[in-house]
Amino acid sequence: QVQLVQSGAEVKKPGASVKVSCKASGYTFTTYHIHWVRQAPGPGLEWMGMINPSGGSTTYAQKFQGRVTMTRDTSTGTVYMELGSLTSDDTAVYYCARGWGGVVTIPAPQDYWGQGTLVTVSS
Amino acid sequence: DIQMTQSPSTLSASVGDRVTITCRASQSISSWLAWYQQKPGTAPKLLVYQASNLESGVPSRFSGSGSGTEFTLTISSLQPDDFATYFCQQYKTYSPGHTFGGGTKVELK
Repeated sequence: QVQLVQSGAEVKKPGASVKVSCKASGYTFTTYHIHWVRQAPGPGLEWMGMINPSGGSTTYAQKFQGRVTMTRDTSTGTVYMELGSLTSDDTAVYYCARGWGGVVTIPAPQDYWGQGTLVTVSS
Repeated sequence: DIQMTQSPSTLSASVGDRVTITCRASQSISSWLAWYQQKPGTAPKLLVYQASNLESGVPSRFSGSGSGTEFTLTISSLQPDDFATYFCQQYKTYSPGHTFGGGTKVELK
C-alpha cells in the first residue's frame, strides 16, 4: 500500500532552517510528483511546491521562492523539504503528498498524504 | 493570485441531512478543482478531483459539480463519519501556486 512517512517534530529558532523528510513506499518512487503543503494553527492549508522525483525538477509557490528547497534521493525513495530564514509565521504542520495520476498528469491534486511534521519556530 | 472562497465557514447539520458546500474562485479555473475532507489531527483526504470525479473508495453520497468559478460539494445523506472540515483547492496554476479555500466545518446540530 502507498505510504508516505515523514520525519519527527522540530523546534527551531527564528532565522534558522529546517529540513523535513518524506519517505515513500508502495509504488514506483520516480513516477509520481511529491507536493508539500503546510497548515498553520487554524484550519488554513497552503501549497508550497512540488518535485518530480524522476529528474529532480521543482516548482515552488511564489511566496516561498528563494526560501524553500526540495530535493530527492532516489536510492532511498525519500524527498526532502528545507525551509530557511524561519519566523514564527512558519510554525505549522508540514505535509508531503503524492500528486494524483503520476508525473504525466499535470495539473493534479494530491491523493496520498504523509502524517505531517510539526515545525515550531520559537526563540 | 487566484483566491478561493468557501461558504459557509461552519455548517450545523443532522445525520441524514443533505449538505451543500460552495466554493468560488476569483477567476476561471475551468474544472481544476479538488475537494478534501480533514478530521482533527489527521491529513486531508482527497474526495473529488476535476470538480466532479469521485476519488476511488469515496462513498457515492459525496458528489461535486461546477466549472469556471462556481463549485459545490454535496453530501446527499450525512453520516456520522462525515462530521469534519472540508476544503476546496484550485490546481490550475503553479504560479503563484495551488490555493485552498478557508474550509467548512460540518458539525452536529
